[in-house]
Order: sequence, then C-alpha cells, then structure tokens
Amino acid sequence: ILNVEQSPQSLHVQEGDSTNFTCSFPSSNFYALHWYRWETAKSPEALFVMTLNGDEKKKGRISATLNTKEGYSYLYIKGSQPEDSATYLCASFADSWGKLQFGAGTQVVVTP
Amino acid sequence: SAVISQKPSRDICQRGTSLTIQCQVDSQVTMMFWYRQQPGQSLTLIATANQGSEATYESGFVIDKFPISRPNLTFSTLTVSNMSPEDSSIYLCSAAQGSNTIYFGEGSWLTVV
Repeated sequence: ILNVEQSPQSLHVQEGDSTNFTCSFPSSNFYALHWYRWETAKSPEALFVMTLNGDEKKKGRISATLNTKEGYSYLYIKGSQPEDSATYLCASFADSWGKLQFGAGTQVVVTP
Repeated sequence: SAVISQKPSRDICQRGTSLTIQCQVDSQVTMMFWYRQQPGQSLTLIATANQGSEATYESGFVIDKFPISRPNLTFSTLTVSNMSPEDSSIYLCSAAQGSNTIYFGEGSWLTVV
C-alpha cells in the first residue's frame, strides 16, 4: 500500500452502540501513526500517537490498536455519544520529520 | 503546547483573484506546514514553510500558484494565486515541535465562485 487509506468513508451509529473503523498505511519506513478528531471549524484534536507494533492506547471511550507489520490501525468508540460525531483522521509519519501523510477520514455521525 | 491562529476562517473569492491566509503560532516552532483538503479528498500536504528561505513544495504544487512566506519562527502565510473553482478547499496550517507533537490551526474554508 502506497497511501494512507481509511474505511469506511462515513458511519452512522446509534447512540450507545460501539463502532470501529480502519486506517491502512504503508508499512515500509514506518515511524508513527497519528489519530485526530476533527470537528467542523475547529482544529484537529490529537487523539493518539502510536509507534510500536501491538500498541494499544485508550482515551476515555476511544481506543486504538496498531499493527505495523501489516500496516493497519483500528479506532474503536465504545458506547457512542452524539458528541463523538466528527471526522476521524489518521496520518502516517514516515520519512520526514513532522511531515504527515493523511487519510481521507471517516466521518462518524451519532444519532440519539 | 502551542496555539495556532489562522485567518481568515472563511472566505468567498472571485475567480482570478488571490487570497493570503495567515498562520500565527503563540510560541516558536521549528517546522510549519500547509495542507489542503478538497471536497471528499484527503488532507494533502502543499509545502513545508522554511524560516528565512524558500518553501519546499510537494509534488503537484508550485510556488507560482501557492507562494509561501515564513519570516520568523512564529508566522507563515500561504497565498492562493489566480484562483479557480478547483481551489475551493479547506486550507490548514500546522506546526511541529518535535517529531511526535503536531499542532493545527482551525482551517480556512475558501469558496471560489
């Protein structure tokens, strides 16, 4: 895989349900994988920076796993709430310091 | 942490005109970057803004179309020149302090009519 790809493109979730989505990235020259939460008209909010194969990170109801050998990461939202509605971006940090390659994002809409 | 102020936040521009977006960081940062997200597309890096020298552009982006300035360690501008409807995008400024610490502005939503 040459680019960072996210699936699905969008997700509609009922409040209280759990969900997850995928980020695929180039596994060669891997340095770090970033997850961001981006709401309209706001700055992207950093969720996780993951570097080690098998890494699992958690922030409240949101968690993420990382597989650097096969080049994918999952983001999980447990018990979705309307305030979780946002676009979730992943970005791969490879060769150059500070330069991120982003996926197109997964738009999550949580309905009450 | 760093706070980035980006303006304008939103603008509607006539085709053929140019618009300059400003990015101000509240502390000195080593690296600053400019991204673009066209509708339905990934956030794509336009260029790295280098302090005191010419920006480094990614493939598909050129200085004549996207001139960038970075006069000091806290400020950068991106100009979108001779705009066409295809330039309608969100333009995002970011700054890096260390390899794993990245900050973003709130984005500038440009619509070209």
